[in-house]
Amino acid sequence: GENVGLHLPTLSVQEGDNSIINCAYSNSASDYFIWYKQESGKGPQFIIDIRSNMDKRQGQRVTVLLNKTVKHLSLQIAATQPGDSAVYFCAENGAAGNKLTFGGGTRVLVKP
Amino acid sequence: DVKVTQSSRYLVKRTGEKVFLECVQDMDHENMFWYRQDPGLGLRLIYFSYDVKMKEKGDIPEGYSVSREKKERFSLILESASTNQTSMYLCASSLTRRSGNTIYFGEGSWLTVV
Repeated sequence: GENVGLHLPTLSVQEGDNSIINCAYSNSASDYFIWYKQESGKGPQFIIDIRSNMDKRQGQRVTVLLNKTVKHLSLQIAATQPGDSAVYFCAENGAAGNKLTFGGGTRVLVKP
Repeated sequence: DVKVTQSSRYLVKRTGEKVFLECVQDMDHENMFWYRQDPGLGLRLIYFSYDVKMKEKGDIPEGYSVSREKKERFSLILESASTNQTSMYLCASSLTRRSGNTIYFGEGSWLTVV
């Protein structure tokens, strides 16, 4: 029952390689950004977040980079694994009430 | 871990039926949200609530209403379901309404209106 993923850009990655997923955001006033991972048939799962007073944040195997000058966000996944295959969404929070605006998503396919 | 639970994963309803989608979170979060997700359109905010009995319209509230009688529970109501409301519905919650609070999602409810 998947309806997520049609019309999405796709990144094909060899297992073990690093992945970089990019996202352009729209609101220069956005002060908080989140990356989500969505597997087939499931809800979005929080991966990592970053506030606008930072330009880099690292988690386990993931790094988020924020370039406010060009309103660009990226997610780097180190040593990509088959379990990383999913759709990845960036989201920005630029409105009152902690509401998120989502990007269109990127599908990551990991080749064994 | 935060748990956002959507009680119905898959529903099939007839046009004109009243539909209730229920969501419960167990982390005493103040903020709760309902989104729908459609191919090519991404996630769109329907309604949100930052307190019991409070509600705010999101980007696409038409055809929907919500109820927040208890802090942990946020219900989405389709008064008269239509085929264009066939979609995946996602409930989410965050600790407060301040920016910077992580928003956690449930597993989704797939609704088909025939």
